[in-house]
Amino acid sequence: GENVEQHPSTLSVQEGDSAVIKCTYSDSASNYFPWYKQELGKRPQLIIDIRSNVGEKKDQRIAVTLNKTAKHFSLHITETQPEDSAVYFCAAKRGSARQLTFGSGTQLTVLP
Amino acid sequence: DAGVIQSPRHEVTEMGQEVTLRCKPISGHDYLFWYRQTMMRGLELLIYFNNNVPIDDSGMPEDRFSAKMPNASFSTLKIQPSEPRDSAVYFCASSLRGAYNYGYTFGSGTRLTVV
Repeated sequence: GENVEQHPSTLSVQEGDSAVIKCTYSDSASNYFPWYKQELGKRPQLIIDIRSNVGEKKDQRIAVTLNKTAKHFSLHITETQPEDSAVYFCAAKRGSARQLTFGSGTQLTVLP
Repeated sequence: DAGVIQSPRHEVTEMGQEVTLRCKPISGHDYLFWYRQTMMRGLELLIYFNNNVPIDDSGMPEDRFSAKMPNASFSTLKIQPSEPRDSAVYFCASSLRGAYNYGYTFGSGTRLTVV
């Protein structure tokens, strides 16, 4: 089955700096890669996603890049703010499968 | 739509007791997923249903766990008997075939503590 590895497990940045979280996946048939943000005690919520026919996608301060050859994708957050502090999860969906396989999560802390 | 609704939000039970977690998916969604979240193992898929039929239960940890979906608007996850190592947050999620991003939406979760 699919295996998704996520790094780093914790990340601290100064407010205003950029943050990058990286994930690798094992199944070349994976074609959908969402990112979720989970605030303390809350549900994971989708913040951005990318399909395998696209190399990059942006939404205001967040962007996701995908390298299909290397089987990795990354989340980029620019101009970080304290409210960006949360756990971020990457995930991958394989081909016609319906379930998502999640990475282990990254605790992002934005220091004021 | 009220989103995916889970109950209870918190459950504290004694070891050996039966626990039932409940989920109401978003109306019209045809897939329902049960996940377990722990610090050690992250988000693990336990089981998922398509049109009320269980498709993949390979993530169910052992026979103490069972899940049902008697109709399109309701699912349960039961643990009997419960053990302290079952303590975790259990999330239900639903999605829609054909939606651009599959409409994958999580409920608020049930925090289970087994003492």
